[in-house]
Amino acid sequence: DAKTTQPTSMDCAEGRAANLPCNHSTISGNEYVYWYRQIHSQGPQYIIHGLKNNETNEMASLIITEDRKSSTLILPHATLRDTAVYYCIVRALSGYSTLTFGKGTMLLVSP
Amino acid sequence: GAVVSQHPSWVICKSGTSVKIECRSLDFQATTMFWYRQFPKQSLMLMATSNEGSKATYEQGVEKDKFLINHASLTLSTLTVTSAHPEDSSFYICSASLIQETQYFGPGTRLLVL
Repeated sequence: DAKTTQPTSMDCAEGRAANLPCNHSTISGNEYVYWYRQIHSQGPQYIIHGLKNNETNEMASLIITEDRKSSTLILPHATLRDTAVYYCIVRALSGYSTLTFGKGTMLLVSP
Repeated sequence: GAVVSQHPSWVICKSGTSVKIECRSLDFQATTMFWYRQFPKQSLMLMATSNEGSKATYEQGVEKDKFLINHASLTLSTLTVTSAHPEDSSFYICSASLIQETQYFGPGTRLLVL
């Protein structure tokens, strides 16, 4: 699976949009971009995934560039409970492909 | 939907004893379950992949005789840490998925070996 690069940490004010970037310049055509987050001392929580089109669900929006080499996860109105480590993972949907977790981005939402 | 539970949520045991951790998919049938380990301030590391009715596939460096995995049904997988030692103290997390589908994670089990 392709490697991803994320900033180590980001800050966001409560109520503002949080935009978390991810670079995946070596992504292959059959690889999806997945986002998970992990709140302290909990298991990871699935957020969203996409192939090439932008995606939106009740939690977040995922914007993937046209060349698919980078993406941005958008939390439209961040709350204190969104403070977590956010992982961007590239994964092929073939067979039993696994998730490889990097170090992620620590998002701190402040009042 | 897509709820995965783990039991127990935390366990303390003496060195040399064995500990069993259960992972259940509550509202879907999981063809594949995964076991991860996370040490403090580190990311999740995949330990093994388990398919229902088959032997688990272990990642390099993970001792299959020490970490016994059973996936006897489409909703239950167990991880047994045999002869646990203090260095096995960690946060153990399972996930479950259908083939080629999204993985959903359990809440994790914190193991402390004294």
